[in-house]
Amino acid sequence: GEDVEQSLFLSVREGDSSVINCTYTDSSSTYLYWYKQEPGAGLQLLTYIFSNMDMKQDQRLTVLLNKKDKHLSLRIADTQTGDSAIYFCAIETYGGSQGNLIFGKGTKLSVKP
Amino acid sequence: DADVTQTPRNRITKTGKRIMLECSQTKGHDRMYWYRQDPGLGLRLIYYSFDVKDINKGEISDGYSVSRQAQAKFSLSLESAIPNQTALYFCATSDPGTSANEQFFGPGTRLTVL
Repeated sequence: GEDVEQSLFLSVREGDSSVINCTYTDSSSTYLYWYKQEPGAGLQLLTYIFSNMDMKQDQRLTVLLNKKDKHLSLRIADTQTGDSAIYFCAIETYGGSQGNLIFGKGTKLSVKP
Repeated sequence: DADVTQTPRNRITKTGKRIMLECSQTKGHDRMYWYRQDPGLGLRLIYYSFDVKDINKGEISDGYSVSRQAQAKFSLSLESAIPNQTALYFCATSDPGTSANEQFFGPGTRLTVL
């Protein structure tokens, strides 16, 4: 079945760039997503990229998609302590599930002052 | 006011008890989901419903059941709770007509089974 892999932890210093990587097995997803979970809260959509795009930039966020390698990354420029959270990569799954999401295990980003 | 609410927010129960977790939404979405989150395992889909008369099993439905009482309400039941069902449970909604088919999550219910 489909699988989404991402590393579990990332630690950076405030002001540095953070890069969170994700690999996936199913290439039929129309959209690929990054969700953010702040402590004690539910997930919120942070950004997404349409599958026919290579890059999407949104203020401090840059999403890169390499469909050949099935690799998605999220770069956060000028990382702040408020960016400390768990970041989930997610892809859509089709067939019988009709567009449900498969989530990675989440990368916990720790930002040190 | 929150668009997706979950009750209770925290629950401690004993093995063998029946537990119901409730989810309500004011977004008017047809699609609703129940996930559980475990440390290091991410989110796993338990059940989902694409409208009031539609119920589907997800990846880990064993030991759980659901009821879609109305478009706005989707309940998750544990008929006989066991300790390995201790987890954080999230309800979510979506509308495929919205931008990028975004899912909107509730704040979660932390369930502890002793």
